[in-house]
Amino acid sequence: NAGVTQTPKFRILKIGQSMTLQCTQDMNHNYMYWYRQDPGMGLKLIYYSVGAGITDKGEVPNGYNVSRSTTEDFPLRLELAAPSQTSVYFCASRDPGTANSNQPQHFGDGTRLSIL
Amino acid sequence: QKEVEQNSGPLSVPEGAIASLNCTYSDRGSQSFFWYRQYSGKSPELIMFIYSNGDKEDGRFTAQLNKASQYVSLLIRDSQPSDSATYLCAVGRGSQGNLIFGKGTKLSVKP
Repeated sequence: NAGVTQTPKFRILKIGQSMTLQCTQDMNHNYMYWYRQDPGMGLKLIYYSVGAGITDKGEVPNGYNVSRSTTEDFPLRLELAAPSQTSVYFCASRDPGTANSNQPQHFGDGTRLSIL
Repeated sequence: QKEVEQNSGPLSVPEGAIASLNCTYSDRGSQSFFWYRQYSGKSPELIMFIYSNGDKEDGRFTAQLNKASQYVSLLIRDSQPSDSATYLCAVGRGSQGNLIFGKGTKLSVKP
């Protein structure tokens, strides 16, 4: 199994451009997440999805959009890129877990994005 | 605002010593607790998870949870230079809740 695969690994964008960060998982996980990580900081949740067709905002959703048309794919769209969106973006997925336990999240290798 | 707090470090320990990493959380309803290791420039990698009060051991790693004190820790025995990384604490509620991550503690193991 490949696990969680993110593309591209690196990208430089100009201010105002748009792009889509791709994320796909082959573990049949219902739950998927997008995080950003700024230098010296923890992970901030951008958007998440609990299944195909269902998405919701996380802590820092402004400037981003997502869709979830299949269980496997969860792309993140940046519209009108801004320097503040320079960051490392991680996609993750997990099984739902039981009523009282939250299953571990499995992370992709990340996309390093610079907005100039 | 739900928060997870970690000492940013760096925590420096000699090779072979025990490294102790600590984490406190604000949400009393938290039920799931995770430790991730993150090497510089890499993605987070799951080290341990714990759901119940007490200790959970896996090789050189022990996770300790005290829900009354809202405190979770990670002990690394016989620390190796390869353990040098940033350790992220993450806390979640129930099966549906999203994880809240701390900012991480940077560990340096000196040969």
